[in-house]
Amino acid sequence: GEDVEQSLFLSVREGDSSVINCTYTDSSSTYLYWYKQEPGAGLQLLTYIFSNMDMKQDQRLTVLLNKKDKHLSLRIADTQTGDSAIYFCAEIRDTGRRALTFGSGTRLQVQP
Amino acid sequence: DAGVTQSPTHLIKTRGQQVTLRCSPKSGHDTVSWYQQALGQGPQFIFQYYEEEERQRGNFPDRFSGHQFPNYSSELNVNALLLGDSALYLCASSPWDSPLHGYTFGSGTRLTVV
Repeated sequence: GEDVEQSLFLSVREGDSSVINCTYTDSSSTYLYWYKQEPGAGLQLLTYIFSNMDMKQDQRLTVLLNKKDKHLSLRIADTQTGDSAIYFCAEIRDTGRRALTFGSGTRLQVQP
Repeated sequence: DAGVTQSPTHLIKTRGQQVTLRCSPKSGHDTVSWYQQALGQGPQFIFQYYEEEERQRGNFPDRFSGHQFPNYSSELNVNALLLGDSALYLCASSPWDSPLHGYTFGSGTRLTVV
């Protein structure tokens, strides 16, 4: 997972927007994902984007992909306390392999 | 519709022992992958099973082995446990013919080796 990098921690106030960033190094990555993990739980798929897209929006979530800089971001609008969790960026580098490579995760803390 | 179910939820083993973890995939999914998540880290891919065969493998020693049954459920076996095997083990399922829309993960088995 070291080839997918994320900042460790982000703190925001309830109602603000959160932006979680991720960089990846493999230019062959074609599928990129955001997963959410709450304490003691497994991983919940939030959204994904294919490399032929620049942006994807799904309700409060917006994913931006900058292939030139190998940068992926997840924006959460109107962040709620229930959004407090660890967010993982993941990639599938080789569609033949189908294995996910994860970053180390960003802990999002939402303060009331 | 049950998602991915894993058992047991928690397990404590002694160094040198062997352990078996179990996973039932989401209904309609025929492919099972296993991941190891150490504390404070992202999950690491162990291996993937489809049609009862190991199809891909990550960078894990052969102490880690698995099996898939005709009903698509799967087991992960770890022999000669080391302290460093302590982790959350996650099972993920997907359809073989359309995996790229995301895997469904279970809640994991927390393994502690003492």
